[in-house]
Amino acid sequence: DADVTQTPRNRITKTGKRIMLECSQTKGHDRMYWYRQDPGLGLRLIYYSFDVKDINKGEISDGYSVSRQAQAKFSLSLESAIPNQTALYFCATSDLAGPTYNEQFFGPGTRLTVL
Amino acid sequence: AQSVTQPDIHITVSEGASLELRCNYSYGATPYLFWYVQSPGQGLQLLLKYFSGDTLVQGIKGFEAEFKRSQSSFNLRKPSVHWSDAAEYFCAVGLISGTYKYIFGTGTRLKVLA
Repeated sequence: DADVTQTPRNRITKTGKRIMLECSQTKGHDRMYWYRQDPGLGLRLIYYSFDVKDINKGEISDGYSVSRQAQAKFSLSLESAIPNQTALYFCATSDLAGPTYNEQFFGPGTRLTVL
Repeated sequence: AQSVTQPDIHITVSEGASLELRCNYSYGATPYLFWYVQSPGQGLQLLLKYFSGDTLVQGIKGFEAEFKRSQSSFNLRKPSVHWSDAAEYFCAVGLISGTYKYIFGTGTRLKVLA
């Protein structure tokens, strides 16, 4: 089973709809991240969380909100989707210690299309 | 402000040829440096990382990268490219002070000719 999973993998929605993207991890990591990927722009950080009570805005948080329901779950919401939020969204985790210290582990991505 | 630059958007090489992908960063301290690969339709996979020590680091799939502090660079190399290396490659900087965020370059898409 994959260590970082994202649901749904693909979603098409309409402008103005509320959308939630979910991320779950079995790695036991405290840190979780949401990125969006756009062609030619690389990955840009939307939100990040260092534990259940610690949530921080990234560089492009406008129009998004997040919820850290548990150590293993980090959800991204678009309250009212707009077409320029069409992108590939990635969840990632990282750890504070051990041999994989500071490495990021990525989910498979969610492709979101807003019509 | 911190930044990561990958100056080559696209690179095309023939199978068996050598490869070098460039990465330059701007950061006030020595950062954590990473190279990730993204195959079509896939998430990102770590190729290698540099935290400290030997400036030449070996990664998976025969890749290596060299950290050059004087040039603020962390270029990725492979002596002989395979067709399966066709993918998009991202350089990333991990900020070690305070926020522990990561900044990604815009990526280099590699095409391999048979």
